[in-house]
Amino acid sequence: DTAVSQTPKYLVTQMGNDKSIKCEQNLGHDTMYWYKQDSKKFLKIMFSYNNKELIINETVPNRFSPKSPDKAHLNLHINSLELGDSAVYFCASSPETDPSTDTQYFGPGTRLTVL
Amino acid sequence: GQNIDQPTEMTATEGAIVQINCTYQTSGFNGLFWYQQHAGEAPTFLSYNVLDGLEEKGRFSSFLSRSKGYSYLLLKELQMKDSASYLCAVADSNYQLIWGAGTKLIIKP
Repeated sequence: DTAVSQTPKYLVTQMGNDKSIKCEQNLGHDTMYWYKQDSKKFLKIMFSYNNKELIINETVPNRFSPKSPDKAHLNLHINSLELGDSAVYFCASSPETDPSTDTQYFGPGTRLTVL
Repeated sequence: GQNIDQPTEMTATEGAIVQINCTYQTSGFNGLFWYQQHAGEAPTFLSYNVLDGLEEKGRFSSFLSRSKGYSYLLLKELQMKDSASYLCAVADSNYQLIWGAGTKLIIKP
């Protein structure tokens, strides 16, 4: 029944490692997003995909690479992890490309801690 | 630059009414959202305003004044479960969401 799911929920790793976070939505939505929520609780969009194509790529380091094997999945790969990458990462989906007219449904979040 | 301002924290009593304000300055405006986020959980959608005026949904209402760059979320008959952060977000001219830092609402018995 889960609409937007992410794995893992918690991720603790060492600096310099490479890790991935997976996201899946079973809502049949065309658009998926990755957000980063920092310690001040700001939610900042990182990427947006529509039908497996990148439509928004905010200024994030190229160590972050999204991969969308199909429109129900949007995975986030992070290379050479740094301390500043510690945050909660939220995946979201919406039916259309326009976030101003469509509700975004959020996954539970993945708390990443880089030691 | 683009800016969303909300109070950091508010306290209210169970059964009372509370108003959470949000002011914004963005490059263009394509709607304003309110989200609720319980600690450790993902934000959940509460309301969307694109025209001036009040939208009511049960115990929650949201108001928008585009000329003033101002919105508020009104919560009535407060319950303990309403303790959460409330996030204001504005869709700018590129339809990207600009998020506020959120207002932590503490409900006391």
